[in-house]
Amino acid sequence: DQQVKQNSPSLSVQEGRISILNCDYTNSMFDYFLWYKKYPAEGPTFLISISSIKDKNEDGRFTVFLNKSAKHLSLHIVPSQPGDSAVYFCAAHRYNQGGKLIFGQGTELSVKP
Amino acid sequence: DSGVTQTPKHLITATGQRVTLRCSPRSGDLSVYWYQQSLDQGLQFLIQYYNGEERAKGNILERFSAQQFPDLHSELNLSSLELGDSALYFCASSVALAMGTGELFFGEGSRLTVL
Repeated sequence: DQQVKQNSPSLSVQEGRISILNCDYTNSMFDYFLWYKKYPAEGPTFLISISSIKDKNEDGRFTVFLNKSAKHLSLHIVPSQPGDSAVYFCAAHRYNQGGKLIFGQGTELSVKP
Repeated sequence: DSGVTQTPKHLITATGQRVTLRCSPRSGDLSVYWYQQSLDQGLQFLIQYYNGEERAKGNILERFSAQQFPDLHSELNLSSLELGDSALYFCASSVALAMGTGELFFGEGSRLTVL
């Protein structure tokens, strides 16, 4: 049962344009949603999160939007930079499940100069 | 550098064998988590330890076991290895038992190849 899904394995964007990465989930009990970024040969690093009681959270060039009715979240990167090229993982968790982060399969973003 | 150290970085072994993966959490972090990433898959939660005690369990196989020692480092033991166990194994750590916003600090991973 894939509770968190990223249906696009890859995305290619021109430098300076907007990158939009999408994520769908099935469990309405999730309390927090997160995005992690992963470069090759490195571990994932936390990027941004959003509580289930909010619909938007912004941090610099990165904005996460949450649509609870559609069980959908998205990560917007504006403007995209070549250094943003990485695999992005969407994840979710519930407070009462300790450290059990549920990850999507990841989307590989390529930002071309 | 996340501050989480995993060894070994790469490991090649044969089916039926047993391996141990080691993780040192960030200084001050009491929680350690193990995740498995198989080819083209997201990270799958295996197990969490907090201050030496098991606190949460995912879909960890019975052939796998873990522990956290008094110095807070953790080991993941994989036995009777099968080809399908080939994967990247990540360790992560956090200060508290509950994750709050969900920010974990991941190591670089141990890549296990079973031949």
